[in-house]
Amino acid sequence: QQPVQSPQAVILREGEDAVINCSSSKALYSVHWYRQKHGEAPVFLMILLKGGEQKGHEKISASFNEKKQQSSLYLTASQLSYSGTYFCGTEDNNNDMRFGAGTRLTVKP
Amino acid sequence: DSGVTQTPKHLITATGQRVTLRCSPRSGDLSVYWYQQSLDQGLQFLIQYYNGEERAKGNILERFSAQQFPDLHSELNLSSLELGDSALYFCASSVQGRNSPLHFGNGTRLTVT
Repeated sequence: QQPVQSPQAVILREGEDAVINCSSSKALYSVHWYRQKHGEAPVFLMILLKGGEQKGHEKISASFNEKKQQSSLYLTASQLSYSGTYFCGTEDNNNDMRFGAGTRLTVKP
Repeated sequence: DSGVTQTPKHLITATGQRVTLRCSPRSGDLSVYWYQQSLDQGLQFLIQYYNGEERAKGNILERFSAQQFPDLHSELNLSSLELGDSALYFCASSVQGRNSPLHFGNGTRLTVT
């Protein structure tokens, strides 16, 4: 079952922060986050495993609330290079990887 | 470069025809996934293989089929093509097929005329 992402689109100025949310109605083993720039393949950002962990990479971090089956991606002090479409992917007991509809992030100077 | 190779990059064909898309996973990856992405849309999961065996099936039409060979490369066969099948088809691979990152190829853009 496909996870639900929100918001659908976000427009930021350089230096501003953003939060992208992802939720599922099914029990999850893991949540993945990917970024896709226009005309390119999705690129892996991070994976969060069952256990409620939080991960970060420089100014991009994420959390996973196992009880609520929700994950959030936090982008702080956004840069122009952060622009793109962000997808969350979820793994449940069906052994597949389903992606949300995506959140289009635009960072303006 | 993700290490995942997809061929061909572009494919233009007519309705009713059959095509084969090929994917070579990253060295060491045992699992292959296929996704369909229509223009500016999300990634629709089609099918997953792990070490030659089908592991999970998604929204794959009966006109479509896939397999993973002993050398771990995979092929996606699309037959009786319709205009609505025009899309970008991505292959992704991962080490173990669960709880490991997916690495995407650059995709095959299929245009059905």
